[in-house]
Amino acid sequence: DAKTTQPPSMDCAEGRAANLPCNHSTISGNEYVYWYRQIHSQGPQYIIHGLKNNETNEMASLIITEDRKSSTLILPHATLRDTAVYYCIPGGATNKLIFGTGTLLAVQP
Amino acid sequence: EAQVTQNPRYLITVTGKKLTVTCSQNMNHEYMSWYRQDPGLGLRQIYYSMNVEVTDKGDVPEGYKVSRKEKRNFPLILESPSPNQTSLYFCASSTLGTGTYEQYFGPGTRLTVT
Repeated sequence: DAKTTQPPSMDCAEGRAANLPCNHSTISGNEYVYWYRQIHSQGPQYIIHGLKNNETNEMASLIITEDRKSSTLILPHATLRDTAVYYCIPGGATNKLIFGTGTLLAVQP
Repeated sequence: EAQVTQNPRYLITVTGKKLTVTCSQNMNHEYMSWYRQDPGLGLRQIYYSMNVEVTDKGDVPEGYKVSRKEKRNFPLILESPSPNQTSLYFCASSTLGTGTYEQYFGPGTRLTVT
C-alpha cells in the first residue's frame, strides 16, 4: 500500500482558494488518488479522484504531478463549511480505503 | 436520496451485553464495510463484504462479527463487548470495481462500553 504524507494542519481565509498537498511517492502505476474529507466526527465524504490527468468537479480540482508522486486538492473558494480533515488516499486495486492522519483545514472568517 | 443509514447513532452499554449495530444502504451496492475510528489511530477497517454471503476480515476484526444475508444490510455484531471497543463506528458502501468508485459513509455510531 502506498504511503502518504500530508501536512497536519493548514489555515485558509474564507473566500480564498485552499490548496492541500499530498505526497504519495510510492504510489503504483494502477493506483488512483482519492480525496475524502471528514467534518467533525461525521462520516467521511468523497470529494474527487484521479489517475493521471487533472480532474475537476463541483466540489474541487485535483492536480496530479506528471510523475504521480504528489497531488494537490484545490477548493477554489473555501467557506467555513469546508473546515474538515482532508484525506489523500491512494487506492483502486480493491475497494479498501486506508486512511492516514490527513490535514485539518481550518477556514477562517 | 442515496444514503447509508446506521442505527443506533449513540449507544451506551455494559461489558458482555451483546449488541448489534445495523447498517443499510439504498444504492444496490455490492461492497459494504465497517470502520472504527479512535483518537490517534484514525479510521481502521473491521470487516468488509463484496456481496451477499461473502464477508472477510479487515485490519481489526477481533471481537466483531458481521453477516450479509441481504444486499442492502450489513449488521455489525459485538457478542461480548469490552471497554476497548468504545469507539466511533462507520459503515460504508460502494459499487464493486477497480478505480472508478466512490464510497458512501453512514453518519456514524458512537458506542461506549462501560
